[in-house]
Amino acid sequence: NAGVTQTPKFRILKIGQSMTLQCTQDMNHNYMYWYRQDPGMGLKLIYYSVGAGITDKGEVPNGYNVSRSTTEDFPLRLELAAPSQTSVYFCASSLPAPYEQFFGPGTRLTVL
Amino acid sequence: KQEVTQIPAALSVPEGENLVLNCSFTDSAIYNLQWFRQDPGKGLTSLLLIQSSQREQTSGRLNASLDKSSGRSTLYIAASQPGDSATYLCAVPMEYGNKLVFGAGTILRVKS
Repeated sequence: NAGVTQTPKFRILKIGQSMTLQCTQDMNHNYMYWYRQDPGMGLKLIYYSVGAGITDKGEVPNGYNVSRSTTEDFPLRLELAAPSQTSVYFCASSLPAPYEQFFGPGTRLTVL
Repeated sequence: KQEVTQIPAALSVPEGENLVLNCSFTDSAIYNLQWFRQDPGKGLTSLLLIQSSQREQTSGRLNASLDKSSGRSTLYIAASQPGDSATYLCAVPMEYGNKLVFGAGTILRVKS
């Protein structure tokens, strides 16, 4: 099993550009999550999904969108990149109870 | 609103020492608590998950305890090694078992 994979590993965007961060898991987990981590801080939840077709907002959803058309994939879309979105983005997945979350390697995004 | 605090923010110890990392949370009605390890530039690796009904969990040289009533968890690392150097994060759910709230982490350096 590859676990949770994310692409790309690094990306530099200009202000106002758009991009999609890809996340795929092969563990047949129902639940998937997107977090961002700013320097010296813990992770903050952006969006999560409890199954295909179902998504909901986390703590910091503004400026992002998600979709969940399959169990395996959970892409995160940035529509109009802003410098405040410079961060490291992590995707995670879990089964329902006990909800142990498994993380991907992250995408480091810089917006200039 | 659930808040998670980790003390100390950084810790440097000589190889072989036993050490304790602390995690406190404001809302004691948690479903579980998860400890993670993060290596520089990498994703998070799940170390231990303690269910709310448990008082401790052990994995090799790691032992995590949970005291819900006081809103505290500790991660005990026995006989520390340079390979233990990493950032250690604890996280509790906002509700039920998903949507984690993270502490800012403890940066551990074990000197050889």
